[in-house]
Amino acid sequence: AQSVTQPDIHITVSEGASLELRCNYSYGATPYLFWYVQSPGQGLQLLLKYFSGDTLVQGIKGFEAEFKRSQSSFNLRKPSVHWSDAAEYFCAVGATISSGSARQLTFGSGTQLTVLP
Amino acid sequence: SQTIHQWPATLVQPVGSPLSLECTVEGTSNPNLYWYRQAAGRGLQLLFYSVGIGQISSEVPQNLSASRPQDRQFILSSKKLLLSDSGFYLCAWSVVWGARGTPLHFGNGTRLTVT
Repeated sequence: AQSVTQPDIHITVSEGASLELRCNYSYGATPYLFWYVQSPGQGLQLLLKYFSGDTLVQGIKGFEAEFKRSQSSFNLRKPSVHWSDAAEYFCAVGATISSGSARQLTFGSGTQLTVLP
Repeated sequence: SQTIHQWPATLVQPVGSPLSLECTVEGTSNPNLYWYRQAAGRGLQLLFYSVGIGQISSEVPQNLSASRPQDRQFILSSKKLLLSDSGFYLCAWSVVWGARGTPLHFGNGTRLTVT
């Protein structure tokens, strides 16, 4: 079964600083990988996804992520963080549910990002 | 474009009372539909998914049930709520299997507090 580990429960950065959120996955085949962001009391919004091709993926809001198969990682980065980026970030790996007819995402436990002024 | 609506946004219910949360999707046909629960400080747990009308699969045995009476409507129910049912419930949809790399699209969630 697939799994996702987000080693950092909480990260604090200053506005304008660079950001990297870590994600490690476990999956037996080529994974489908996703990053989502969740503002307080809201649903999850898709930031970016990887399923094949270029290992550096660009997303919305200036985020990017790099797939590294050798490290089983899919870290999220942003060169300069804005105060509005404060939220919780979830990494997810996609796979077929055992029935073969629906897709399941397995989520990490999330990383809470605090942005200091 | 596709949109997903989930209601109510917040709900406070006493232990032993029934529950009905509703989710509808617009702008797409025959979506896969999902119910997730997010407990405080934890990740997301898949509760139910559906690949068509009347087709419901449960991932975790529990006090809850789901139904899909129409193509784009997904309902989460309980006959008698438990304290442990408190949490943040998220509905999501995706295109049907076969489209590689398709993500899930989430509603805004329902905050359920069982007192």
